[in-house]
Amino acid sequence: SQQGEEDPQALSIQEGENATMNCSYKTSINNLQWYRQNSGRGLVHLILIRSNEREKHSGRLRVTLDTSKKSSSLLITASRAADTASYFCATVASYDKVIFGPGTSLSVIP
Amino acid sequence: DGGITQSPKYLFRKEGQNVTLSCEQNLNHDAMYWYRQDPGQGLRLIYYSQIVNDFQKGDIAEGYSVSREKKESFPLTVTSAQKNPTAFYLCASRGFSYEQYFGPGTRLTVT
Repeated sequence: SQQGEEDPQALSIQEGENATMNCSYKTSINNLQWYRQNSGRGLVHLILIRSNEREKHSGRLRVTLDTSKKSSSLLITASRAADTASYFCATVASYDKVIFGPGTSLSVIP
Repeated sequence: DGGITQSPKYLFRKEGQNVTLSCEQNLNHDAMYWYRQDPGQGLRLIYYSQIVNDFQKGDIAEGYSVSREKKESFPLTVTSAQKNPTAFYLCASRGFSYEQYFGPGTRLTVT
């Protein structure tokens, strides 16, 4: 069964706008991670947020985590065409297993 | 794709043949993983290994086999028992903060 579920499945925005993607999960976690995948390539780790953290920033990325609602959001500010990719959340409940959601496909239109 | 190599990038096989996908890492990571990705889908875990000479089945291990004889190498064999082997296969290793480092993937087509 899927631990993480991203929402929306697909998102299309204009360059310069902000993009927000959400992730919901079902069980307790140790940490939650976000990854990006360009078409036909491997995944690239973007950011990790631990269960005792509420917000984290990395460049134009902002991640929030609400453990009471079992949800996380990824905000990409001032989007660029190069941000076009699929974005996955991944939950880590135990140290040996990472469970990926189905992903959000983001299209940034120049 | 930092430190993880997978080969080949594209692989074509006839139905009924076994095929082995290569995965090598130079990151000195103990744990390595194999995932399968189908079009428009997330990743599903096939096998993982925490340490040399040890590995565990993931969620969809049937029809696959692995070995871990060296820390740097974690090859995956897709056997003829795998009913629907055409997919994109991704290998990863786990970093010290539990983040995963992925290879570029191998696209396998079986006809």
